[in-house]
Amino acid sequence: IVMTQTPLSLSVAPGQPASISCRSSQSLLQSNGKNYLYWFVQKPGQSPQLLIYEASSRFSGVPDRFNGSGSGTEFTLTVGRVEAEDVGVYYCMQGLQIPRTFGHGTKVEI
Amino acid sequence: EVHLVESGGGLAQAGGSLRLSCGVSGFTFSDYAMNWVRQTPGKGLEWVSYISASGETIYYADSVKGRFTISRDNARSALFLQMDILRVEDTAVYYCAPGILDYWGQGTLVTVTS
Repeated sequence: IVMTQTPLSLSVAPGQPASISCRSSQSLLQSNGKNYLYWFVQKPGQSPQLLIYEASSRFSGVPDRFNGSGSGTEFTLTVGRVEAEDVGVYYCMQGLQIPRTFGHGTKVEI
Repeated sequence: EVHLVESGGGLAQAGGSLRLSCGVSGFTFSDYAMNWVRQTPGKGLEWVSYISASGETIYYADSVKGRFTISRDNARSALFLQMDILRVEDTAVYYCAPGILDYWGQGTLVTVTS
């Protein structure tokens, strides 16, 4: 499954919203109603960390300004009001099939 | 608190071998499938291998199939990646992560020279 993210980079003023899109080459929606789409962020000098699982569920400790939406093949990560600590590279990943595949990443700058 | 610590990376020549280890604490290791994911310098993320909680089900990326072997020791809460017939393009930071990659270690750098 090929994952396509847009844009490749994004410059956002603090306090403004930001949105990243992710498209999969096959539907990630299973018969159980879950979309197996995940969002990660890799902050400078750090390992990746999970933000959103199953398209729209926030992982433990993730601020509520991060929201995931979408279904099937089209997904969006929205940051309600960007803060300086949100700088990094954001990746989507499909968890439906092996091999797991990632998008190429979206670099977010403040 | 969940901790994953990768080790075993370093410098190797093409055609050589390295064995990576991942030590885990903070969760019941034997209950979780585990993965290896790598990140090439300045580039994106590539899933490498998966092993089920019991160790009975294993998958590999096509790029490493036949050269890498994943294994685990549930008694020691440890995950391994035996890397043989290394190629220059295997140069990357290697991470271990459980399940849906909800926690990641700090990674271990593997550099393969020609």
